[in-house]
Amino acid sequence: AQSVTQLDSHVSVSEGTPVLLRCNYSSSYSPSLFWYVQHPNKGLQLLLKYTSAATLVKGINGFEAEFKKSETSFHLTKPSAHMSDAAEYFCVVSDGWGGKLIFGQGTELSVKP
Amino acid sequence: DSGVTQTPKHLITATGQRVTLRCSPRSGDLSVYWYQQSLDQGLQFLIQYYNGEERAKGNILERFSAQQFPDLHSELNLSSLELGDSALYFCASSVEGTAAYEQYFGPGTRLTVT
Repeated sequence: AQSVTQLDSHVSVSEGTPVLLRCNYSSSYSPSLFWYVQHPNKGLQLLLKYTSAATLVKGINGFEAEFKKSETSFHLTKPSAHMSDAAEYFCVVSDGWGGKLIFGQGTELSVKP
Repeated sequence: DSGVTQTPKHLITATGQRVTLRCSPRSGDLSVYWYQQSLDQGLQFLIQYYNGEERAKGNILERFSAQQFPDLHSELNLSSLELGDSALYFCASSVEGTAAYEQYFGPGTRLTVT
């Protein structure tokens, strides 16, 4: 069965400093992995996705993630945080051919001025 | 704006009642997914439809049912509502119902059961 574990429930950074949100996955085959963002009282927006092409995936708003099979990780990074990055971030794995998404518990990112 | 619409935005109802949530997918998308977001369970997959047919079921209660109509819009019916059904219900759509195609989420319907 597929699953994802987000290692931090809350991360706080200062504006202009790097962001690292950690995610480990479990999958019996080559997974499709995603990061979604949810701003307060908003829907979910896709940041980036990995589907077995390049292991370093670039997304929107300067975010990127690296797929590391040996570590079963898919951490999300951004070189410099902006106040508008404050939101909830979800690491997600897709369940095989049907495409249903399995969400991690989420990491709340706070950005201090 | 993802192109997925959901109505209503908010719904407040009493225990024991029945409600219907509506979702219109993006133009051209054949697959619709329903998800529930609650404080204790997080985001969970409920059910998936592809071109009118049920394709996959998740942790959907027997009191809940869904369907996808010929025009591809979908409805999620929740009956005999309990306090624990209070949650944010999201609909998502994709071109096809496989992992290769990303899902676009609607703004959600916030259900409050009192």
